Amino acid sequence: EAGVTQFPSHSVIEKGQTVTLRCDPISGHDNLYWYRRVMGKEIKFLLHFVKESKQDESGMPNNRFLAERTGGTYSTLKVQPAELEDSGVYFCASSYSSGNTIYFGEGSWLTVV
Amino acid sequence: GQQLNQSPQSMFIQEGEDVSMNCTSSSIFNTWLWYKQDPGEGPVLLIALYKAGELTSNGRLTAQFGITRKDSFLNISASIPSDVGIYFCAGRGIGGSQGNLIFGKGTKLSVKP
Repeated sequence: EAGVTQFPSHSVIEKGQTVTLRCDPISGHDNLYWYRRVMGKEIKFLLHFVKESKQDESGMPNNRFLAERTGGTYSTLKVQPAELEDSGVYFCASSYSSGNTIYFGEGSWLTVV
Repeated sequence: GQQLNQSPQSMFIQEGEDVSMNCTSSSIFNTWLWYKQDPGEGPVLLIALYKAGELTSNGRLTAQFGITRKDSFLNISASIPSDVGIYFCAGRGIGGSQGNLIFGKGTKLSVKP
């Protein structure tokens, strides 16, 4: 069974540009989460989808971040325009609707220069 | 907001030694999770704890959910080189959504053969 897959694995963009990160959850997982870890800080929750609906987006830092999950399958996280402080690793994770085990992807490493 | 204090920040030990790390908080958590992250990978769940006082083992790993619900520890016995990585504690607070985990900053473990 394939795990949570994320693309791209690494991205280097200039300040002001746009980046779109993609996440494919484990097949059959209704719950999809985005987290990020900026350098030297802890992993922080961004938002949680149940199917295509945003269940909890309390962790989204500002309106430069837009997450979508059209059709309830894969999800995208767009950062527009990117700022230097957005650099870090963005993790996607998924779980079954009633399970507690959250499976993480390998992360998308974003560097904004 | 809720925070977790994880210590130590890093550890350098000899193969075969036992390891102990812990997380504390000023807030009550109803779930404690311990994850390990290998280089270039996403966090992988090691142990999940759901009840105060619960003591759970997974091979050479043992973790406990503190009685006060404000702390948890993880012990690794007889460490081996593949134990190298970053260990994160994570908690789910009262009323928190399923995916809104609060993470510690991690303990980086190095094992000398």
